Amino acid sequence: DQQVKQNSPSLSVQEGRISILNCDYTNSMFDYFLWYKKYPAEGPTFLISISSIKDKNEDGRFTVFLNKSAKHLSLHIVPSQPGDSAVYFCAAIRTTGNQFYFGTGTSLTVIP
Amino acid sequence: GAGVSQSPSNKVTEKGKDVELRCDPISGHTALYWYRQSLGQGLEFLIYFQGNSAPDKSGLPSDRFSAERTGGSVSTLTIQRTQQEDSAVYLCASSLLDRPNYGYTFGSGTRLTVV
Repeated sequence: DQQVKQNSPSLSVQEGRISILNCDYTNSMFDYFLWYKKYPAEGPTFLISISSIKDKNEDGRFTVFLNKSAKHLSLHIVPSQPGDSAVYFCAAIRTTGNQFYFGTGTSLTVIP
Repeated sequence: GAGVSQSPSNKVTEKGKDVELRCDPISGHTALYWYRQSLGQGLEFLIYFQGNSAPDKSGLPSDRFSAERTGGSVSTLTIQRTQQEDSAVYLCASSLLDRPNYGYTFGSGTRLTVV
């Protein structure tokens, strides 16, 4: 039962344009959402997070939007750069208990 | 099984004791990772197994940490002489191959608390 879903396995974007990565979840009890970036043969690195009480969090070129009514979050990268090419994972946490769920990832390719 | 299974889901141990965490990956997945998530921290890579190749142990924080993968399937992460800073959620993930267009499936983790 996949509680966090990334329905697009891959995305290609032209350099300089906006990249939008999407994530859907099913459990309304999640407290916190995170995005991770992963290069081949390396572990994921933390990018940005958002609390369930917020609808937007911005960090440089990265912005995460949370739509709780739709149980949907998205990561916007603007402008996109070739170095952004990687697999992006969204994750959801319920801080009480032991619930920590990752999506299966979206492979982003930024074309120079 | 249908997903990556980790056991136990929760473990409380006394400082100085050894612990073993288990990961059952998806059948047929050749790549297996261990990570940990400490409170307020990002996901930290620990170790990576790929098929019959020598594992990448570059993320193990000290020689108290070790991992093995038997028969290319089940993996065990062992922490000797646990310390309080070892408290974290330990996550295992597997994938068919370590390629960008392959999905990674994560287990729900083992929450380790060292008291």
